[in-house]
Amino acid sequence: EDQVTQSPEALRLQEGESSSLNCSYTVSGLRGLFWYRQDPGKGPEFLFTLYSAGEEKEKERLKATLTKKESFLHITAPKPEDSATYLCAVQGGFQKLVFGTGTRLLVSP
Amino acid sequence: GAVVSQHPSWVICKSGTSVKIECRSLDFQATTMFWYRQFPKQSLMLMATSNEGSKATYEQGVEKDKFLINHASLTLSTLTVTSAHPEDSSFYICSARATAVQTYEQYFGPGTRLTVT
Repeated sequence: EDQVTQSPEALRLQEGESSSLNCSYTVSGLRGLFWYRQDPGKGPEFLFTLYSAGEEKEKERLKATLTKKESFLHITAPKPEDSATYLCAVQGGFQKLVFGTGTRLLVSP
Repeated sequence: GAVVSQHPSWVICKSGTSVKIECRSLDFQATTMFWYRQFPKQSLMLMATSNEGSKATYEQGVEKDKFLINHASLTLSTLTVTSAHPEDSSFYICSARATAVQTYEQYFGPGTRLTVT
């Protein structure tokens, strides 16, 4: 059964303090690993798709990397507006995404 | 691009009534749409997968007679919560996968907050 575990559950950073979020996964036949950002009371916003180990993608202060067992979302010099819940999901041989429970990030000014 | 809308954004209904939620892909066609529910401080739980023109596939434990899904066109899927009860109160989110693109990204709507009194 496909499974995703995210850590830490919650993370508090000072503005400018870089850090990384972890997503460990087990999946049969990885079709893609996805990162989403979710603000309270809203639907997830798509950030990245990673397809194979070694792949990296960047968007502003965010950089996602992928190995055969885990993915990291690196946040460089975060700002308060980066505060949100970051969700990781994998898709294996079936159509559906399997989500982790998310990391709640709070960036203080 | 890849915008998904939901209507209504919030709804309050009385116990025993039915509520319909619409999910539309605004700028792309979506053969497949998904319905999730999310409880406070929890992750998304897939309820069902709907393919245009065919019956939805429900996840284990989801009552198909209670949560009716219709995907009549490539841009519209609806979820009807029948005979709603307070325990059905939740945040319902749909997503859509673009038909024309050979990727697996799902784009999510803004969600519908359902409160059953």
